[in-house]
Amino acid sequence: GDSVTQMEGPVTLSEEAFLTINCTYTATGYPSLFWYVQYPGEGLQLLLKATKADDKGSNKGFEATYRKETTSFHLEKGSVQVSDSAVYFCALSALGNYGGATNKLIFGTGTLLAVQP
Amino acid sequence: DGGITQSPKYLFRKEGQNVTLSCEQNLNHDAMYWYRQDPGQGLRLIYYSQIVNDFQKGDIAEGYSVSREKKESFPLTVTSAQKNPTAFYLCASSIGGYQPQHFGDGTRLSIL
Repeated sequence: GDSVTQMEGPVTLSEEAFLTINCTYTATGYPSLFWYVQYPGEGLQLLLKATKADDKGSNKGFEATYRKETTSFHLEKGSVQVSDSAVYFCALSALGNYGGATNKLIFGTGTLLAVQP
Repeated sequence: DGGITQSPKYLFRKEGQNVTLSCEQNLNHDAMYWYRQDPGQGLRLIYYSQIVNDFQKGDIAEGYSVSREKKESFPLTVTSAQKNPTAFYLCASSIGGYQPQHFGDGTRLSIL
């Protein structure tokens, strides 16, 4: 079945360091891919998305490129801030029968990012 | 502002009790979802509904029940049959298709 694998955390960085959080997926067809962020005690917020191969999603300095050949969607940011400390989830939209979207998201286990001043 | 409201933020259940978690959205979304989040794990889908008066089981539906009588409301009941209900519960909604899901702030359920 469809699945998402994220690098395990926690990831601890100093402010202004470069961030990469790896995400790979297994899916039939061409799912949409998402990164969500969860701050302590809150729900998830959509960070960025990509809907087809080679699409680059970007938001708030974060970027991720949909790589079909490597089935990856790695999250990057050039210079992290303390306020970026949160849990980051990679997710894909599950396809139903005949390739149609079922509205179901499959999540990775999440990666905790801790940024120190 | 449009959004998803979950209540209460914290909920305590006694053994053998059913409890109901509320989820209301004013985004005019057709689809709504319930997820369970446990420490160190991703989100697992409990139930989802793509239209009023219809819903489907997700991956971990046992011990839970839902209803979808109105477009804006999708309450989740955690029944006494759910033996390990302590978790963070998240409700979400979406327009449908490949569109992103929008999440509420969650309800944390604990057992007394």
